[in-house]
Amino acid sequence: DAGVIQSPRHEVTEMGQEVTLRCKPISGHNSLFWYRQTMMRGLELLIYFNNNVPIDDSGMPEDRFSAKMPNASFSTLKIQPSEPRDSAVYFCASSLGIGAGELFFGEGSRLTVL
Amino acid sequence: QQPVQSPQAVILREGEDAVINCSSSKALYSVHWYRQKHGEAPVFLMILLKGGEQKGHEKISASFNEKKQQSSLYLTASQLSYSGTYFCGTDLTGGGNKLTFGTGTQLKVEL
Repeated sequence: DAGVIQSPRHEVTEMGQEVTLRCKPISGHNSLFWYRQTMMRGLELLIYFNNNVPIDDSGMPEDRFSAKMPNASFSTLKIQPSEPRDSAVYFCASSLGIGAGELFFGEGSRLTVL
Repeated sequence: QQPVQSPQAVILREGEDAVINCSSSKALYSVHWYRQKHGEAPVFLMILLKGGEQKGHEKISASFNEKKQQSSLYLTASQLSYSGTYFCGTDLTGGGNKLTFGTGTQLKVEL
């Protein structure tokens, strides 16, 4: 079975541009999580969804960040406008439910904002 | 709220043992352990739940002291494949997979 699929794997953009990261969770998984990883702050939870509904977005750094999950097989994380401090690896993860269980991470999207 | 891991880094010879600790200042509902190899995604190792239940997939053991809000991961007879960064993720709200991850412990196993 395919794992969590993220795209693009690498993105280099200039400050002020819009960035859209995409995620396809594992089929049958009801929960989806977006994490950001940097050397300084480690792995930070940005937002998570259950059954396509955003449950907690308290980790979203500011209004420039938005996330959607229009259906069970697709989610986007958008940054508009992007800033150099947004440079990080963004991971999407899915699980069978919100309850304590294994998180399956995608391979990540490495974002560089110049 | 970020859990503190120790040590920050450790180098082992193949076959040696290691212990990685995770400590929180807040009460924990569960502790999750993940390993991440360089340039790859984190991979699940184990969950420890309040009450002592464990769920794991590999020959790695761990403990969870609820009163002290601490967990330890025990790696015995280390192999080269154990190299990577180990993260503990803590559930502070009872929300299951809403995890706050520690800063990580870099483990390198050498011949």
